[in-house]
Amino acid sequence: DTEVTQTPKHLVMGMTNKKSLKCEQHMGHRAMYWYKQKAKKPPELMFVYSYEKLSINESVPSRFSPECPNSSLLNLHLHALQPEDSALYLCASSLDRDSYGYTFGSGTRLTVV
Amino acid sequence: DAKTTQPPSMDCAEGRAANLPCNHSTISGNEYVYWYRQIHSQGPQYIIHGLKNNETNEMASLIITEDRKSSTLILPHATLRDTAVYYCIAYSRQLTFGSGTQLTVLP
Repeated sequence: DTEVTQTPKHLVMGMTNKKSLKCEQHMGHRAMYWYKQKAKKPPELMFVYSYEKLSINESVPSRFSPECPNSSLLNLHLHALQPEDSALYLCASSLDRDSYGYTFGSGTRLTVV
Repeated sequence: DAKTTQPPSMDCAEGRAANLPCNHSTISGNEYVYWYRQIHSQGPQYIIHGLKNNETNEMASLIITEDRKSSTLILPHATLRDTAVYYCIAYSRQLTFGSGTQLTVLP
């Protein structure tokens, strides 16, 4: 298995909702990443997990809460989002923090209404 | 991570070589040059990387100048499916994307 799988592919949520994005890989990678991409902009790094521990939080608002329950799974919990949080959320993984060749998922297209 | 500069857009005729330039004049000695591409609405895809030497794989070639201040990604025979945003990244410990180049392959 050489893929990063993200679910759901599309999500529409209200500003008072709580939802979660899921990312899964079975390549034995020990580093996992969340990126946010607004339309016509490059991906921006949000969080880095290394060996299931949060190692980088790029000053992301607390309404985004990451979780890494095991080495194969990465979640992003969403609560009280704003319409400007609408974006493509990308998950990626790599063998470890010092390895090249990130593998990206296809992303979750999030719309906040 | 060093900043990279790429032209915002380029066109290329189908079947011809696409040469995508990248400037990284502040790159440090331990930073690799990475290239990714992103086809519309998909996740970025790794293409190639290098440190000092030129590199080639089944997708592309990477030419790095001797002073390492710039590089060129070469797609030898561009197809319509190569239309994408191409990102050049000076990588040390994390992947930070710049603005990239929108490559459009024309029939």
